[in-house]
Amino acid sequence: GQNIDQPTEMTATEGAIVQINCTYQTSGFNGLFWYQQHAGEAPTFLSYNVLDGLEEKGRFSSFLSRSKGYSYLLLKELQMKDSASYLCAVMDSNYQLIWGAGTKLIIKP
Amino acid sequence: GAVVSQHPSRVICKSGTSVKIECRSLDFQATTMFWYRQFPKQSLMLMATSNEGSKATYEQGVEKDKFLINHASLTLSTLTVTSAHPEDSSFYICSARHGEGTYEQYFGPGTRLTVT
Repeated sequence: GQNIDQPTEMTATEGAIVQINCTYQTSGFNGLFWYQQHAGEAPTFLSYNVLDGLEEKGRFSSFLSRSKGYSYLLLKELQMKDSASYLCAVMDSNYQLIWGAGTKLIIKP
Repeated sequence: GAVVSQHPSRVICKSGTSVKIECRSLDFQATTMFWYRQFPKQSLMLMATSNEGSKATYEQGVEKDKFLINHASLTLSTLTVTSAHPEDSSFYICSARHGEGTYEQYFGPGTRLTVT
């Protein structure tokens, strides 16, 4: 079966750095997405990785290792507004998105 | 660019009635649109994939006669929840994809459905 694993919840301090991990087992791979979702709102796109390595976009970076079936989202200089759920999703061989359950990130002052 | 709208944002209806939710791509043509459902504290669950001009493809366990999807144009898809029951209360989100060769999905703001 297809499976996406990410931690249920993480807590970090304002101004610090946090890394959210995602491991996956899917039938085929056409890229991995990270989305941010605030409570009661729809997800918003953060990043897309299809090749191994690190993609940096401002305070957010995303890393992919296809051989390990592993990705992480790195958030730097955390702000209170970063409190949200972070969803990892993998596009399988049918170009369908397989979603993880999301990681709820709590930022404390 | 790449804005997707949904209407209504919130709807409360009585058990047994039907509710229609609209999803529109405002500044691009969406050959493929997706309908998701999300229960509290759970991840997105894909309900169906719709391509303009053809029948929607439903995920296993989703009743096609209960959740009617119409993708009549390249900018509009509708989801009708027929004979709604309280267990259908959920957050319904649509997303749209530009076309073949692009993989990013742009999400609408979601519709909160409450069935009383």
